[in-house]
Amino acid sequence: LAKTTQPISMDSYEGQEVNITCSHNNIATNDYITWYQQFPSQGPRFIIQGYKTKVTNEVASLFIPADRKSSTLSLPRVSLSDTAVYYCLVPGRAGKSTFGDGTTLTVKP
Amino acid sequence: NAGVTQTPKFQVLKTGQSMTLQCAQDMNHEYMSWYRQDPGMGLRLIHYSVGAGITDQGEVPNGYNVSRSTTEDFPLRLLSAAPSQTSVYFCASSWGDYQETQYFGPGTRLLVL
Repeated sequence: LAKTTQPISMDSYEGQEVNITCSHNNIATNDYITWYQQFPSQGPRFIIQGYKTKVTNEVASLFIPADRKSSTLSLPRVSLSDTAVYYCLVPGRAGKSTFGDGTTLTVKP
Repeated sequence: NAGVTQTPKFQVLKTGQSMTLQCAQDMNHEYMSWYRQDPGMGLRLIHYSVGAGITDQGEVPNGYNVSRSTTEDFPLRLLSAAPSQTSVYFCASSWGDYQETQYFGPGTRLLVL
């Protein structure tokens, strides 16, 4: 079962770059890595997805090393509105996606 | 498009009562899932469906039933509510299998007394 491990919480200041790393040692060959963002009282929202190397979109970048046993979500120049919980998701056994407890990011002024 | 909609937004039940949480999507997605989220915790998969007429169990299926008679709707039934089922319930849908981006509804907050 491809479980993920993330830091429970992180603090940052406005304008800084934030990197959140997720470990997924048992990732399967065909599995993609997906990151979601969740604000209080809302459902999670897709941020970015990748398979290997680097993926970038208008919101974030995702770095995946060659062994794919971890991934790093990078948020450039965070603002107060980026305060949220961030989840790293790797498909589990038989298609059952497993969300970990996520990383609570707090951005301070 | 409304996306994924869930009703009700909030519900209070007494122990032993039954109810159905509604979920609907208008994106013609084949894959739909139900999750529960306890305070301060991540989401846990209850049941999922890969298409109309096909459902399967997730991590925490006990106490819940699902059916999928249409592509659009995926209701979750609590047979006999227990305080341990107090949680926020999220429905999600995606185009295809689990690798696809999931779109989540706004959630239903359930309190079982």
